[in-house]
Amino acid sequence: EVQLVQSGAEVKKSGESLKISCKGSGYTFTNYWIGWVRQMPGKGLEWVGIIYPGDSDTRYSPSFQGQVTISADKSIRTAYLQWSSLKVSDTAMYYCARLSYGDPSWFDPWGQGTLVTVSS
Amino acid sequence: DIQMTQSPSTLSASVGDRVTITCRASQSISSWLAWYQQKPGKAPKFLIYKASSLESGVPSRFSGSGSGTEFTLTISSLQPDDFATYYCQQYNSSPLTFGQGTKVEIK
Repeated sequence: EVQLVQSGAEVKKSGESLKISCKGSGYTFTNYWIGWVRQMPGKGLEWVGIIYPGDSDTRYSPSFQGQVTISADKSIRTAYLQWSSLKVSDTAMYYCARLSYGDPSWFDPWGQGTLVTVSS
Repeated sequence: DIQMTQSPSTLSASVGDRVTITCRASQSISSWLAWYQQKPGKAPKFLIYKASSLESGVPSRFSGSGSGTEFTLTISSLQPDDFATYYCQQYNSSPLTFGQGTKVEIK
């Protein structure tokens, strides 16, 4: 079974750094793009960016370029989303998901989500 | 960026109703459209790709149609498990973009 398992919920203060993770299993991790999607409280889905673990090729949505960093460690089948200085407005649920047929395509499956809460 | 606009934002319906959700793209995306279902507190679930191809295991009461800039998701006979929010997503070009969602609620 193809599965993505994300790290647990985080509570941080504005200005702190954070790195959340997404571990893949049940497929060849290096052969599929992994993406990150943000969902702010009560809002819709926003594409953050994607990474190809095979060669670490990374692409960002213009809305998130420079705000976050996406990385991957193929030796442990894990992708990451990180912030160097969190803002209150980063409070959201973040999902990782696999692109089914390369870039661009649809997302399937999805991780269970990581809730990031940032306070002032 | 390609903008995706769904209508309506909220839809009230009863079990057994036929329900249609519309998704419009700001420019032609051919048939490069996917649909997802999301229930409260859960990750989105993939339903349909290439505008009308049903993912394996998705009930046949779900169907998709359209091409170019206008697309629809239809639920032929709404079931209690179908009350959720539905999103379209274009994958014609990066950045990938989603519609704002349509919440299907109990009438």
